[in-house]
Amino acid sequence: SQTIHQWPATLVQPVGSPLSLECTVEGTSNPNLYWYRQAAGRGLQLLFYSVGIGQISSEVPQNLSASRPQDRQFILSSKKLLLSDSGFYLCAWTGVVNTEAFFGQGTRLTVV
Amino acid sequence: GIQVEQSPPDLILQEGANSTLRCNFSDSVNNLQWFHQNPWGQLINLFYIPSGTKQNGRLSATTVATERYSLLYISSSQTTDSGVYFCAVDRGSTLGRLYFGRGTQLTVWP
Repeated sequence: SQTIHQWPATLVQPVGSPLSLECTVEGTSNPNLYWYRQAAGRGLQLLFYSVGIGQISSEVPQNLSASRPQDRQFILSSKKLLLSDSGFYLCAWTGVVNTEAFFGQGTRLTVV
Repeated sequence: GIQVEQSPPDLILQEGANSTLRCNFSDSVNNLQWFHQNPWGQLINLFYIPSGTKQNGRLSATTVATERYSLLYISSSQTTDSGVYFCAVDRGSTLGRLYFGRGTQLTVWP
């Protein structure tokens, strides 16, 4: 069966520090991968999605970037964190044909 | 983009009560999912239901795509049902990209 792993679970980082969040999927090939952010107030917003290695699309302009170095690995990065980058970050995957989305356990990022 | 509206925003129930959560969407969709976000933040898949009715234990869902709404029914609620329930739709235009509603915060008291 397919599983999705995301780490770390929580992170406290100072303003101006770099960020790297990692997400990996097991049990499937060539998944579509997504990074969402959930700010206070409950709504989830899509940040990036990827349909293959090295292929990244951004939904909103921001201080973050994403990379997909391997088929089942998706990384969210920042060179210099801002206070406004605080939030709950969730990685998700779907199949190419079956677009039911499955989410990782999330990373709670606090920028101080 | 597509608008997804959920109601009510907050719901407080006593254990054993039934409830109905509603999701309205502003345009035609490829698929619709219901999620439960537990207290630790994880999104748990409840239903993948672009149309029709599905049931899973005490939970059931109905989507009427032609009228652009979906309903999530919770029967005989338990304290473990507490959390935020999200509806999310996929328009089919961006490869599985989901548009989320703002959720319904459900609190079930013993």
